[in-house]
Amino acid sequence: NAGVTQTPKFQVLKTGQSMTLQCAQDMNHNSMYWYRQDPGMGLRLIYYSASEGTTDKGEVPNGYNVSRLNKREFSLRLESAAPSQTSVYFCASSRASTVHSEAFFGQGTRLTVV
Amino acid sequence: GDSVTQMEGPVTLSEEAFLTINCTYTATGYPSLFWYVQYPGEGLQLLLKATKADDKGSNKGFEATYRKETTSFHLEKGSVQVSDSAVYFCALSDRDQFYFGTGTSLTVIP
Repeated sequence: NAGVTQTPKFQVLKTGQSMTLQCAQDMNHNSMYWYRQDPGMGLRLIYYSASEGTTDKGEVPNGYNVSRLNKREFSLRLESAAPSQTSVYFCASSRASTVHSEAFFGQGTRLTVV
Repeated sequence: GDSVTQMEGPVTLSEEAFLTINCTYTATGYPSLFWYVQYPGEGLQLLLKATKADDKGSNKGFEATYRKETTSFHLEKGSVQVSDSAVYFCALSDRDQFYFGTGTSLTVIP
């Protein structure tokens, strides 16, 4: 019963480095999401994918790219990390596109950019 | 656009006290409403949900009623425990997106 699995759990990057955050779900969900969580800001949507093969920008997409590799996997890439991208990143999935489906979250990736 | 506004924290209560965390929403359609809980170092877990007006979601002693007339979904618990200390998020889903409040930190002291 893995649910939503994110890797890595922790990462420290230097400014300008790149990295990819991985996310996989085993619930056969259609929709997947990437959020960032910052103190006092709640969760802000970076990108989402309503179905395999589609991706859309959320509230804070600048500096990020995503790939919906298949139905299970949705990765988030930082091409050139900046200190402002220091945050906790959460991947989530949902059966959607119905309004009654809840989102299931991974454990998060704590990213520090120095 | 859709949005969720929830009570600012932090909230500190003594064990066995009554808890209310206020949540109001703005939505153009007919959203589902959720409360999530986040324990330190973990992801968000669904606490309860309601999918239509007047529905009451409940779980682990927590309750919330979907009030369309006041656009509210307040979280309540009659007697909190130390183990309820966490951050609580109100959320709504409309079509294929979710909108979250900023979270309310709850600390319960023995």
